[in-house]
Amino acid sequence: KAGVTQTPRYLIKTRGQQVTLSCSPISGHRSVSWYQQTPGQGLQFLFEYFSETQRNKGNFPGRFSGRQFSNSRSEMNVSTLELGDSALYLCASSWGTGGNTEAFFGQGTRLTVV
Amino acid sequence: GENVEQHPSTLSVQEGDSAVIKCTYSDSASNYFPWYKQELGKRPQLIIDIRSNVGEKKDQRIAVTLNKTAKHFSLHITETQPEDSAVYFCAAGPSSGTYKYIFGTGTRLKVLA
Repeated sequence: KAGVTQTPRYLIKTRGQQVTLSCSPISGHRSVSWYQQTPGQGLQFLFEYFSETQRNKGNFPGRFSGRQFSNSRSEMNVSTLELGDSALYLCASSWGTGGNTEAFFGQGTRLTVV
Repeated sequence: GENVEQHPSTLSVQEGDSAVIKCTYSDSASNYFPWYKQELGKRPQLIIDIRSNVGEKKDQRIAVTLNKTAKHFSLHITETQPEDSAVYFCAAGPSSGTYKYIFGTGTRLKVLA
């Protein structure tokens, strides 16, 4: 069974640009969550999707958005990039309806904003 | 707001010694507490988890304890080995309805041979 796949693995963007990151969950998983990982801050929750609906959103500005497709694949978009958006963006997929079961992480997309 | 504090931020132990990492959470609704291990350049992977109806759980050299009254939970690694060197993250979340986890800031464990 293939794991969680994130593309691209690395991105370099310029301030002010926008970027779209993709996450393909494990087959059969309907929940996809996104996290931002920066040194010293750990993993900070961005948002969660289940069956194409956003169930939860973290404390990030509106420049961060996402969506989930009918095949459970998810994308997140960051508009008007800032230097502080440089981070590793991780997505995680889970098979259940919520909580109490393992979240499987992808390898992440490392975004560098210059 | 929801918060998980994790200590220490770095921990060095001699091979064969024990390591303990402690976390405190703020949201009383949290009922599920996973621990993830992240090796350098790799994805976080679940190593053990505990639910609020259990006080302790063991899996070989790894154990987790939970004190729900005090909102504390801890990871214990015994007989540490060099391959245990990694960053460990604790997290807290509800037991149903969402996969929104609040993570601690991580502990970098170094096992010295």
